[in-house]
Amino acid sequence: DVKVTQSSRYLVKRTGEKVFLECVQDMDHENMFWYRQDPGLGLRLIYFSYDVKMKEKGDIPEGYSVSREKKERFSLILESASTNQTSMYLCASLAQFAGNTIYFGEGSWLTVV
Amino acid sequence: DAKTTQPTSMDCAEGRAANLPCNHSTISGNEYVYWYRQIHSQGPQYIIHGLKNNETNEMASLIITEDRKSSTLILPHATLRDTAVYYCIVRPVQGAQKLVFGQGTRLTINP
Repeated sequence: DVKVTQSSRYLVKRTGEKVFLECVQDMDHENMFWYRQDPGLGLRLIYFSYDVKMKEKGDIPEGYSVSREKKERFSLILESASTNQTSMYLCASLAQFAGNTIYFGEGSWLTVV
Repeated sequence: DAKTTQPTSMDCAEGRAANLPCNHSTISGNEYVYWYRQIHSQGPQYIIHGLKNNETNEMASLIITEDRKSSTLILPHATLRDTAVYYCIVRPVQGAQKLVFGQGTRLTINP
């Protein structure tokens, strides 16, 4: 079974801290994604990557950056965390060939205080 | 990028068929329609996908209109465990896979 693993399930960070959210997939998928989920707003795409070192902005990239140095790992970085980044963050991966399903991690709950 | 629109919420009686509509009027010929659902704070779960033809699996059926501008997800005999947020998305067959989910439909199954 494909597995998408997010390194931290629950985190509490202080305003201004640098935060790393790590995501690893074990199926050699080309595409990886970071979403955030907030009540009433659904899933919003922050960044996605279609290959190693390649990244593209999603709909809400402000305040975030990403890193994809290895194919299996996609990191979301909050350079200076703010309280409005308190949210649930979901990572996903997808093989490039059409027809494949999108696999999600279990989510990381981040609270910025 | 093709966008989808869905009703914000729907209700359905337990045991009845739940029909969830999705509008994707700007879909192009090389884009799939995918359906996912999310229960509470779990990661979204894959349900079904299709390109042109109607599809059925053990969870649901997907009906895509002939012009492909809309689709309907059908849960044939809804149970209380089907209460969830349902997302309809479009996905390109090739190229950059920018997957935009939107707000989805909150489906409530009532006893």
